[in-house]
This record gives sequence, structure tokens and C-alpha cells, in this order.
Amino acid sequence: EAQVTQNPRYLITVTGKKLTVTCSQNMNHEYMSWYRQDPGLGLRQIYYSMNVEVTDKGDVPEGYKVSRKEKRNFPLILESPSPNQTSLYFCASSPSGPNLPQHFGDGTRLSIL
Amino acid sequence: QKEVEQNSGPLSVPEGAIASLNCTYSDRGSQSFFWYRQYSGKSPELIMFIYSNGDKEDGRFTAQLNKASQYVSLLIRDSQPSDSATYLCAVISAGAGSYQLTFGKGTKLSVIP
Repeated sequence: EAQVTQNPRYLITVTGKKLTVTCSQNMNHEYMSWYRQDPGLGLRQIYYSMNVEVTDKGDVPEGYKVSRKEKRNFPLILESPSPNQTSLYFCASSPSGPNLPQHFGDGTRLSIL
Repeated sequence: QKEVEQNSGPLSVPEGAIASLNCTYSDRGSQSFFWYRQYSGKSPELIMFIYSNGDKEDGRFTAQLNKASQYVSLLIRDSQPSDSATYLCAVISAGAGSYQLTFGKGTKLSVIP
């Protein structure tokens, strides 16, 4: 089954404790992206990757890091999480770029206390 | 900052009626347009995409694009209670070797049995 898998699905943690949200896709897609969704603000892009070792900032990259060492994986790293990063996070992928329909993961709900 | 505007709703329509969802965008050079449906607590899923001016139909859904007026709309015919969800408009702009993807904040649709 074609899918984008995010882990964990839910996480409650404390300010400053480094965390990683993993994202993996099994569709051999070149493009992967991370979004956060907040009430009243909609979906906003954090980072995206056009291919292995190629990443770029989206609209709200501050406080986040990403890496793309393998085509299938695109982890999101919060080096020092803060309460304003409490949000619902989605990973998505598409065959070759954002100009094609994206397939979303199920989401990760992060709470930073 | 490129903007994508949607009426937040809620838009209420009776079962069997036509639901009309609208989206306007600020960048005249925008190239690709998507409609995603998002049920509460779930991830966005693609409904329609359109690249050229005019109408594109898929079952009960029709996407309409008017680049001169910078709007894209989604019509849902014979609306069903299962269509009750938030509908997200997404717009792609390209320039300087990169893409910018912007989502609207979504319109909440409620189909009344």
C-alpha cells in the first residue's frame, strides 16, 4: 500500500528536549515536505526537499532542521523545542515536485510544555 | 508574501444541493491549483487539481479556474453529509528556480441531511 508514515503520532514533551519526528514514504517520490497546521493559520510549509541531499526552507523554518540522506526518509528535528512549536505536523510527498498532487501522512500532534 | 484567500465559513448547504467553494490568489504567475479535503483530525486528501483555465470535472466535483480574475473554485454537486469537511485551496507559484506552495486557511462545509 502506498503511504507516508509518520512517527510518533502523538508526543508530549518539555521545552528544550531535542526530538525527531520521522517521515517515510514507500512510493519512490522525489519531493517531500513538512507542514504545521494551527487553528486560524492553516497549513504552513516548514521545509521541503526536491531530492536526496536537496532541502530548502518553506514559510516557517525557524526552530526546525531537516535532512534527506535517503530518498524515502525526511525527518523533522526540533533541536530545542519551545511551546510555540506545539502544533499538528504533516509530512507529504509527491513524485517530482509541489506542482503535482501530494500524498499526506496521518499527522503528528506535538505538545511542548 | 503570496496570499491565498478562502471564506472560512462555515458554509451550510442542504443534502442534494450544489456547494460552491471559492479561492482567490494574489500571484498572477501562479501555475498549479489544488483542492484538498480534510476531515476533522485527519490529514488532507486530494480532491482535484487544475492547471489550465476552464472547468475540470471528476464525478460530482468540478474545479473551475479563471487566471485573469485570479480565482479557482470547487463545485460539489448532489452534496452528501459525507462531504462535510474543511476544503483547502493550494496554489503553486514558481520563480528563481524554486516553487512556493501556499495553502488557504480552508472553508468548512456542512451538508445538512
